[in-house]
Order: sequence, then structure tokens, then C-alpha cells
Amino acid sequence: GAVVSQHPSRVICKSGTSVKIECRSLDFQATTMFWYRQFPKQSLMLMATSNEGSKATYEQGVEKDKFLINHASLTLSTLTVTSAHPEDSSFYICSAQTYTGELFFGEGSRLTVL
Amino acid sequence: DAKTTQPPSMDCAEGRAANLPCNHSTISGNEYVYWYRQIHSQGPQYIIHGLKNNETNEMASLIITEDRKSSTLILPHATLRDTAVYYCIVRVAGGNQGGKLIFGQGTELSVKP
Repeated sequence: GAVVSQHPSRVICKSGTSVKIECRSLDFQATTMFWYRQFPKQSLMLMATSNEGSKATYEQGVEKDKFLINHASLTLSTLTVTSAHPEDSSFYICSAQTYTGELFFGEGSRLTVL
Repeated sequence: DAKTTQPPSMDCAEGRAANLPCNHSTISGNEYVYWYRQIHSQGPQYIIHGLKNNETNEMASLIITEDRKSSTLILPHATLRDTAVYYCIVRVAGGNQGGKLIFGQGTELSVKP
């Protein structure tokens, strides 16, 4: 199946710093990518929908200035957690959609904010 | 909000069939039923999807009721590696207008020796 790569897989940062997570579709072009957050023992929560070349659409309750999403090319979307705090510690997962509507997920990025 | 309901947990003996139910009574005519699973600390893995006909692939079978208000995912011979959280999701599909996946709570399947 198609491959979606996330980097880094794990990151630890200090409170107040910003962290960037990359999501790449390695063998297909993705016009749409989705970003999810998952807390321990909970389900995935959709944060935003990212379309190449346009502004991301955020779900209700997700702060767009806190979670900056950039989808600059058909194979790359980035999520930047700005001024991270311990409550932002979570598992962040992206998915990428092909032209035929199939969705593939990355392996996730675990963020720990100290 | 998720449009599906699933039992929170199920057990299955290794080598036996695992039958995971899902209710989606408010499904729309253009929505497909998708199944994904998530093994601990990994990204979700696609299993199968269908609209109204039963579907089978190398991983599983999907049985959708005639009224499309419920479905069952069948893992024919469960192994220990099938232990995971299984998510049933309804989604508009097709082309680049495919809809987003909204995850419910899923079913935590434990396959036991």
C-alpha cells in the first residue's frame, strides 16, 4: 500500500518552545491531508484538514494560531505546535488522501512537553 | 461526532473467527462503511470498506445488512497479532472529494491463546 511518513516519530521539548512535525506521502500525491491528535486510552480526534496551496480548515475547538498547518506541496504537510505546554503532549497522526479518495495514515509522532 | 457505535471490548480465541459488530443507523446513501485498526502506538491501518455489498479481501470480510444500518467485520482466523482497537467509520468516498474520517471509540479486540 501507499506510504505516509511522519518525522520525527518522537520529540521531547521544553515548555514554551515550538515543534514542527512533517507528514510526507512518499509514493503518491496528496491533495488533502488530515491531522489528528490522540491522548492515551482515547480515540483519534480530527484537528484539521489541509489542502495543498490553501489555508487549513480547523475543527471546532482547535486553535489555529496554536497549531499551524502548512501544505506547501502535494507530498508534504507540516504541523507546528507553537509555544508548546505540557497539556499539548500527545500522539499526533497525519493521513493523506489520494486522487481516488483512499486514505493512508502515518505512523504518528509522539510529543512530550516538559 | 462519530456516526457509529461499537462495543468497547471483545475477546476472541486464537484461531477462531472474530466478529466485530458496528451500528450506523443514520448512514447516508453516499456514505461507505470503512474499517481501520490501530495497534498500540501506531498509525491506523486500513482493513476494508464497502457501500452495500459484502466485501472480502486478504485481511477480512465485511458484511453489511440490507438496510445498511449495521455491519460486521469478520477476521476469519484471528491471531495474536490481530489484537488491536478496531474502528468502524462511515465516510463519503470517491475521488478527491472523499470525506474526512471521524473516529469513534472503537472496539478493543483481545485475541487470547
